[in-house]
Amino acid sequence: EAGVAQSPRYKIIEKRQSVAFWCNPISGHATLYWYQQILGQGPKLLIQFQNNGVVDDSQLPKDRFSAERLKGVDSTLKIQPAKLEDSAVYLCASSLGTESVYGYTFGSGTRLTVV
Amino acid sequence: AQSVAQPEDQVNVAEGNPLTVKCTYSVSGNPYLFWYVQYPNRGLQFLLKYITGDNLVKGSYGFEAEFNKSQTSFHLKKPSALVSDSALYFCAVRDRNTGFQKLVFGTGTRLLVSP
Repeated sequence: EAGVAQSPRYKIIEKRQSVAFWCNPISGHATLYWYQQILGQGPKLLIQFQNNGVVDDSQLPKDRFSAERLKGVDSTLKIQPAKLEDSAVYLCASSLGTESVYGYTFGSGTRLTVV
Repeated sequence: AQSVAQPEDQVNVAEGNPLTVKCTYSVSGNPYLFWYVQYPNRGLQFLLKYITGDNLVKGSYGFEAEFNKSQTSFHLKKPSALVSDSALYFCAVRDRNTGFQKLVFGTGTRLLVSP
């Protein structure tokens, strides 16, 4: 089966600019996650979708970050305006469902550098 | 809230020797536990998980992990390390007793296997 696709792989922007990341999960996976991985830290969940509905966005900085999953398939994560501390790898993952027994499949990530 | 501790930033081992990467967890209920590996510029790859049953879990690439409820630990082990095992390893936990459980990661342990 095809994996989780993410684009772009790398992005460099200046602070206060906007940026968007795209994720295409594994076909049939109802649950989609966006994680932020800052260098030297473990991944931190930003937002979790079940189909096209949000089930957890408690750690999403909503003043600058937004995400959507139209039609319950692809998802985009946007940052506007970006800050230096947003420099990180943004990982998308998907799973069959929200039940704990399901593992996640991660994409390769988008490395964002804010200068 | 659940949390994971990986007390070692780096583990060094010679090729052919056994390796252990430590992980302890905290959840309010019963845990589901996972190990992931991350190679440079790659996403997280699933290694193994503990859901229920036998406390010794076997996973990919010869890795195994032992669930110890009394010590709230889930250490990753391999009898004979390979240079190609050098990577960043993450332990993660989900609380099986809560809905829409998110996966919480530790800060990671870098494994360096020398020839």
